[in-house]
Amino acid sequence: AQTVTQSQPEMSVQEAETVTLSCTYDTSENNYYLFWYKQPPSRQMILVIRQEAYKQQNATENRFSVNFQKAAKSFSLKISDSQLGDTAMYFCAFNDMRFGAGTRLTVKP
Amino acid sequence: KAGVTQTPRYLIKTRGQQVTLSCSPISGHRSVSWYQQTPGQGLQFLFEYFSETQRNKGNFPGRFSGRQFSNSRSEMNVSTLELGDSALYLCASSKGSNYEQYFGPGTRLTVT
Repeated sequence: AQTVTQSQPEMSVQEAETVTLSCTYDTSENNYYLFWYKQPPSRQMILVIRQEAYKQQNATENRFSVNFQKAAKSFSLKISDSQLGDTAMYFCAFNDMRFGAGTRLTVKP
Repeated sequence: KAGVTQTPRYLIKTRGQQVTLSCSPISGHRSVSWYQQTPGQGLQFLFEYFSETQRNKGNFPGRFSGRQFSNSRSEMNVSTLELGDSALYLCASSKGSNYEQYFGPGTRLTVT
């Protein structure tokens, strides 16, 4: 079974700074997809970024980028120039079915 | 485009009862997935339906079941409710496996 581990239950960062959220996973598959989803307080979950395992290039979406290390089974999310609106729960997901426990990120003014 | 809708938004039931939750996906999306979200267990995958067929299933007891209709709308049923079933139930729709999922606002179920 695939498991997804987010080892940081809570993190905080000052506005405009950079923060990295960690995610590791376990799988025997060679081709798969990884996702980061964001769930703001009392709002719906939305996709932040998606990575296909067969692509070596790290995915980037504006201020959000990932560091995908396939051999290490690691998939971290970097948020640059943090904004107050980035305050949310962040979930790492494997193949859209297995989610990590989440990291609660607070951006402080 | 209208988003994913879930009804009802809030529900209070007593132990032993059964409940049915409904999810209407985004128009054109054929895949609907259901998740249970609790503070202790995080987000747990229940099942996925695609074109009226259950394609994937999580590790939940048989009390949890679902179905999908020809218009892609989906329902989830929980029978013989237990206190531990209290959770936020999220529905998500997508074009297919490993495409972006669009989540609904959830149904908050409280079992007393």
